[in-house]
Amino acid sequence: QQPVQSPQAVILREGEDAVINCSSSKALYSVHWYRQKHGEAPVFLMILLKGGEQKGHEKISASFNEKKQQSSLYLTASQLSYSGTYFCGTDSGGYQKVTFGIGTKLQVIP
Amino acid sequence: GAVVSQHPSWVICKSGTSVKIECRSLDFQATTMFWYRQFPKQSLMLMATSNEGSKATYEQGVEKDKFLINHASLTLSTLTVTSAHPEDSSFYICSASGGARYNEQFFGPGTRLTVL
Repeated sequence: QQPVQSPQAVILREGEDAVINCSSSKALYSVHWYRQKHGEAPVFLMILLKGGEQKGHEKISASFNEKKQQSSLYLTASQLSYSGTYFCGTDSGGYQKVTFGIGTKLQVIP
Repeated sequence: GAVVSQHPSWVICKSGTSVKIECRSLDFQATTMFWYRQFPKQSLMLMATSNEGSKATYEQGVEKDKFLINHASLTLSTLTVTSAHPEDSSFYICSASGGARYNEQFFGPGTRLTVL
């Protein structure tokens, strides 16, 4: 079942922060975050495995609440290059079969 | 590291013809490869999962006879769209995983298929 992402779209000014949420109706083994720019393939950001993991990548970090079956992606001090569609992908079985959410379109403006 | 290539990057074909798309992992051995299709402004929909040397596992609703997948080596998987029709027009993306970072999927650049 497809995870639910929110918000569906967000516009930020450079330097502002944003949070993208991803929730699943199933127990999760892992959560994957990707960013896709228009006409390009998704680019891997990070993966979070079960156990309340948190990770960071420059000014982009994420958390995984296994009990709530939720993950959040945090973008701080956004840059123009952060624009794109962010997808969360969830794996419920641990067999690398990832189901992607519908995506959150993020636009950073000067 | 973890580079995945796809060929061709785009293809236009006539209805009824077959099209083959290649997916290669360039610097790692991909024990598993995934094929997705993506319609404009929509999410990635998994079509099938293939493990090297074995038959692909197709998702519900995906016709295995129409979308032939071969994963003959640890660096190459192919998707053949047989008897393509306009409704098959889409963005097809492969991803690969394997090695120490087996939990991660690395995506190819995608292939834009247009069937006239």
